[in-house]
Amino acid sequence: DADVTQTPRNRITKTGKRIMLECSQTKGHDRMYWYRQDPGLGLRLIYYSFDVKDINKGEISDGYSVSRQAQAKFSLSLESAIPNQTALYFCATSDPQGSYNEQFFGPGTRLTVL
Amino acid sequence: LAKTTQPISMDSYEGQEVNITCSHNNIATNDYITWYQQFPSQGPRFIIQGYKTKVTNEVASLFIPADRKSSTLSLPRVSLSDTAVYYCLGSDSNYQLIWGAGTKLIIKP
Repeated sequence: DADVTQTPRNRITKTGKRIMLECSQTKGHDRMYWYRQDPGLGLRLIYYSFDVKDINKGEISDGYSVSRQAQAKFSLSLESAIPNQTALYFCATSDPQGSYNEQFFGPGTRLTVL
Repeated sequence: LAKTTQPISMDSYEGQEVNITCSHNNIATNDYITWYQQFPSQGPRFIIQGYKTKVTNEVASLFIPADRKSSTLSLPRVSLSDTAVYYCLGSDSNYQLIWGAGTKLIIKP
């Protein structure tokens, strides 16, 4: 969905490096999410935010941190990347006026940690 | 512990109706059940959502029995372009999202 953009789309980094993945949205939604996807494991929630001052841990937050700089921007950081963080990362939004199960996903960032 | 379970893979042929069932354990009684479609190298895309009974839109139908212990996504007259991974999504009593692991659907000519 072009309304949710992620940068970079692909990134290769080395073990121990700090890396930031960025997400921007023009949908005007307050709720934003970061997911990780591994083959055969589906989507796992890392962090979510219901507004600029609200940050919540998801299922697998260890090793990650987030920043909600504005309603439209939600960044995910890997403090010290490790190889098992190699995965596809998705940002998503949802409308607080609707069901929060109806989410709009970005195109994903493919991260490889060597 | 809330959980959603769906078949790992299915295959069918063009023109057939395909039904994918998701089992829900201990999901919230008052929240929606939602299905998504994902193509390779893309984010998941919302297909349909329902609370109970039957919901139909231009691409699919969703059947949810009264006990809400399962849901069935029905794709009528599939084509090759319906080859994708399909996810069901519910939530638990604390409104934590519970994603299924996905069903890889392969449509053959």
